[in-house]
Formats: sequence, C-alpha cells, structure tokens
Amino acid sequence: GAVVSQHPSWVICKSGTSVKIECRSLDFQATTMFWYRQFPKQSLMLMATSNEGSKATYEQGVEKDKFLINHASLTLSTLTVTSAHPEDSSFYICSALGLEGPYEQYFGPGTRLTVT
Amino acid sequence: AQKVTQAQTEISVVEKEDVTLDCVYETRDTTYYLFWYKQPPSGELVFLIRRNSFDEQNEISGRYSWNFQKSTSSFNFTITASQVVDSAVYFCALTGSSYKLIFGSGTRLLVRP
Repeated sequence: GAVVSQHPSWVICKSGTSVKIECRSLDFQATTMFWYRQFPKQSLMLMATSNEGSKATYEQGVEKDKFLINHASLTLSTLTVTSAHPEDSSFYICSALGLEGPYEQYFGPGTRLTVT
Repeated sequence: AQKVTQAQTEISVVEKEDVTLDCVYETRDTTYYLFWYKQPPSGELVFLIRRNSFDEQNEISGRYSWNFQKSTSSFNFTITASQVVDSAVYFCALTGSSYKLIFGSGTRLLVRP
C-alpha cells in the first residue's frame, strides 16, 4: 500500500530557532500534500495545501512567513517552522493525495515538535 | 462550508459492551466522501473506512459497523463487543470538491476491563 513517512518523528528546539519537517511519499508520486496541526486533545486542523512546483495554499489564520512549505518534488514536501515559539509546540501531520482522487489520502505518522 | 460534528467528547464503556460513535456532517457538495480514523496514543492515524455520498449501504467489518444516512447527514460508527485495544480517539472526517479533509473534534473512547 501507499506509505508516507515523516522525519523527524519528534524534535525539540529552542525558542527562536527554525526547524524543518520532511514528508515523503515512499512508493507513489504525490502532486498534492497537506499539512495538519494537532494540539493536545484537539482535532486535526488543516494548515496548508502543498502542490508540487507551485506555492502552497494556506488556510485562513495560518502565517505564511512562519510556516514555510516547499514541495520541490513529487515525493517530498517540507514544512519549516521559522523562529519557533513555545506556542508552536504541537503534533504536525502530513498527508499525500493519491492519484485516484480525494478519497485516497495517506497520512504520515506525525512529528511532535516541542519548543523550549 | 463543510463541517463535521462529533458531539460525544468522551465515552467510557466496560469491555464487551457495544458502543456507537456519532457523526453528523454538513456539506453543499453533491459528491463527497466520509471517513473514520482511529488515533491511538502513538498519534498515528489509522484509516478505518471510506464511504462516498452515492453509497448508502451500511458496512460491517468484523466488530465494526457503519451506518450512513444521507437523510439525517449522519455517519455513525458502532463497535460491537468492545475491547480494551479499542481505546483511542476516533475522528470522523469529510472531503468534497476541494480535496480538503475536514475533521470532527473527535471522540475519546475508553474501554475498561
């Protein structure tokens, strides 16, 4: 089946630094990937839609300059949290859209970010 | 706008009890897909089922069953003879023409031995 990986699985960084999270589709090509954020005991909230070769589309309220998304290839999208603050601590999950349509969305295992 | 409502925040049952998780959705799309996911403490989402808007057939998979009713915009999930391993957070989700997946707030299920 389709597999999506994320790296790292967890990361701790200091306030003010930047951290990059990778999302890879391992056995299929994904022109569209999504990034979600999940705070403790809350639901997943879509942050942005990442399209290969074009700019990401951000959801309302998500700071484009803070959460930089790059989808440089058909198998890799990256999310960079710039100038991280403790309130950015969260669980970040990516998903990749399969070629079959909107019902084929494969999720990565998530990255837990802690900003100290 | 699309919306998914899971009114049950937490449910606690004793092992072997049946439990139903409710999901109500709103959408203007005529073609849409509904999903259920399980999120164990590890955090990784586990896909359980997908149903498209044109298929109202109920589905059973082992101890799991799903009841899709367009007339009430509901897509409920029942676990029969619950087990401790069923303890997790369960999310109902919806996607339509935008391809964006909209999640409900989740229901935390605790199955006690």
